[in-house]
Amino acid sequence: EFVLTQSPSTLSLSPGETATLSCKASQSVISTYLAWYQQKPGQAPRLLIYGASSRATGIPDRFSGSGSGTDFTLTITRLEPEDFAMYYCQQYDSSSGFTFGPGTKVDIK
Amino acid sequence: EAQLVESGGDLVKPGESLRLSCTASGFIFSNAWMSWVRQAPGKGLEWLGRIKSRVDGGATDYAAPVKGRFTISRDDSIRKLYLQMNSLKTEDTGVYFCTRGLCIGDSCTQFDPWGQGTLVTVSS
Repeated sequence: EFVLTQSPSTLSLSPGETATLSCKASQSVISTYLAWYQQKPGQAPRLLIYGASSRATGIPDRFSGSGSGTDFTLTITRLEPEDFAMYYCQQYDSSSGFTFGPGTKVDIK
Repeated sequence: EAQLVESGGDLVKPGESLRLSCTASGFIFSNAWMSWVRQAPGKGLEWLGRIKSRVDGGATDYAAPVKGRFTISRDDSIRKLYLQMNSLKTEDTGVYFCTRGLCIGDSCTQFDPWGQGTLVTVSS
């Protein structure tokens, strides 16, 4: 079974600070198959990053993704008020399909 | 602009069945690989299954918790995706999203866009 672990579960920061979110996989992930999403309360998820490091259309450049193998990171620089939300990583493998991590909540300190 | 709208969510009793629909617009639906994802109250996202485009064979794949109970189908003529849910359990309660597998290069393994979701409540 493929498992994604995200840490921390909650990150309390102030606007203007930098958020560093971790996503660790139980097995090596093909980087092409690693994505990050943002979800706000009562809304659908929104694709932020695909292929581990490519920004989706319309996503500001303060969002960046990095990593390979089993360790991936989403970095949000210069936090804006609208960035306080839940963030999920997601991977795909042919045997188990799609897996989401449990999420990291970025809230206002 | 690509858009998805789900419908069909309801309050049902354990053991009953329910069919959800998802209507697509703004993109060539017949070419899209489509998935269903759910979110239990206060919990994270759970992928349920996927249907490939007819041109790519139209095969379906399911997550283990719903395999054999849930069935995904599509009607490309009316741009609709369906999720037939049988033998519903209380733990199936949640918001159900339809989403498109966005293909970028050779990778179709990220989801965009997402519908707004439809609420399914399974309770006696």
